[in-house]
Amino acid sequence: TQLLEQSPQFLSIQEGENLTVYCNSSSVFSSLQWYRQEPGEGPVLLVTVVTGGEVKKLKRLTFQFGDARKDSSLHITAAQPGDTGLYLCAGGAGYALNFGKGTSLLVTP
Amino acid sequence: GAVVSQHPSRVICKSGTSVKIECRSLDFQATTMFWYRQFPKQSLMLMATSNEGSKATYEQGVEKDKFLINHASLTLSTLTVTSAHPEDSSFYICSAAGDGLYEQYFGPGTRLTVT
Repeated sequence: TQLLEQSPQFLSIQEGENLTVYCNSSSVFSSLQWYRQEPGEGPVLLVTVVTGGEVKKLKRLTFQFGDARKDSSLHITAAQPGDTGLYLCAGGAGYALNFGKGTSLLVTP
Repeated sequence: GAVVSQHPSRVICKSGTSVKIECRSLDFQATTMFWYRQFPKQSLMLMATSNEGSKATYEQGVEKDKFLINHASLTLSTLTVTSAHPEDSSFYICSAAGDGLYEQYFGPGTRLTVT
């Protein structure tokens, strides 16, 4: 099993602040995905990164895949209350995904 | 993105009864579907992987006779929790992937409460 460690586990910030969450592993992944999950709902795919060193931007969210394809980061600029949720990274080969434990983000007005 | 639905969204059942949860891919053919369970404030735990027309592959520790999975068509998979007990209460989420689809797309989840 390829383990993914996410940090921090919990994060509480005020609206307008910037933040970065991390996803690390000792294993190499062919791809890595980030999801956001709100309470009582299924995860929603945010992005997939496949190339080492790749950077993808989705509005205020910036995703980076490490050069060695073992780690990834998610940076949120000027966080908003609507960004509140559980952020999960997942990686694997083919369709089989291993999920990290997630970072629970709370953005207060 | 691809759309996956689950039904029901919430179900309450008595201990000892069986509950069926449906997972449908609405706008693509899902050759592979996955079933996860999630306890409060925890991540997703893969229970089983099912391919259309074949038996599901269960993860270690998941009882295949308790959690029956059927993937009879390219758009529908079902999970039946048999003889449910209170410890089976959880949030069950399915996901689907099709040929050419690089990612898994998740359903909205089913909250099962066994009383």
